[in-house]
Amino acid sequence: AQSVTQLDSHVSVSEGTPVLLRCNYSSSYSPSLFWYVQHPNKGLQLLLKYTSAATLVKGINGFEAEFKKSETSFHLTKPSAHMSDAAEYFCVVSPFSGGYNKLIFGAGTRLAVHP
Amino acid sequence: GAVVSQHPSWVICKSGTSVKIECRSLDFQATTMFWYRQFPKQSLMLMATSNEGSKATYEQGVEKDKFLINHASLTLSTLTVTSAHPEDSSFYICSAQKENTEAFFGQGTRLTVV
Repeated sequence: AQSVTQLDSHVSVSEGTPVLLRCNYSSSYSPSLFWYVQHPNKGLQLLLKYTSAATLVKGINGFEAEFKKSETSFHLTKPSAHMSDAAEYFCVVSPFSGGYNKLIFGAGTRLAVHP
Repeated sequence: GAVVSQHPSWVICKSGTSVKIECRSLDFQATTMFWYRQFPKQSLMLMATSNEGSKATYEQGVEKDKFLINHASLTLSTLTVTSAHPEDSSFYICSAQKENTEAFFGQGTRLTVV
């Protein structure tokens, strides 16, 4: 069975400081992993994806994530937070490498950015 | 990227009535569309998967007679909440994808049943 655990429900940072949103996954197959962002009452936007290529994945808006198979982790980072980064972030796993079927969502991490 | 449009963005309906939500892929043909439900401050739960021209596949625990899904064309899928009750109030989000490409999400529909 596949699952994803986001270790923090809330993260609060100051503007200009680094962001770390933690995600661990469980998958019987070689998974595809994604990070999506959701602003209030909006749909989801794909930040980045890992599909069995390079383990360090760069996404939009300065975000990146590193796939660590030994730790079953896919943490999201950004060197310097911006006020506009405040949103809900979802770590997502798909059991099929390269596929988007049956996306399984983590519980989400709400990122707050303070001036 | 591709655009997926959901309509309406929000709807209020009376208990016992039915509500239809549309999901359209505006600039691509979507072989598969997915419907999710999101409770307040919770994650998205997949409700069903629909492929154009065939019956939707529902996830365990989702009542197919309650949540009717139609995928009549490669650009349109609809979700109808039949005989809505207050407990059906939620945020419903669709996603559309071409084969083995990124899934693009609609902006969501907030349903309130009073």
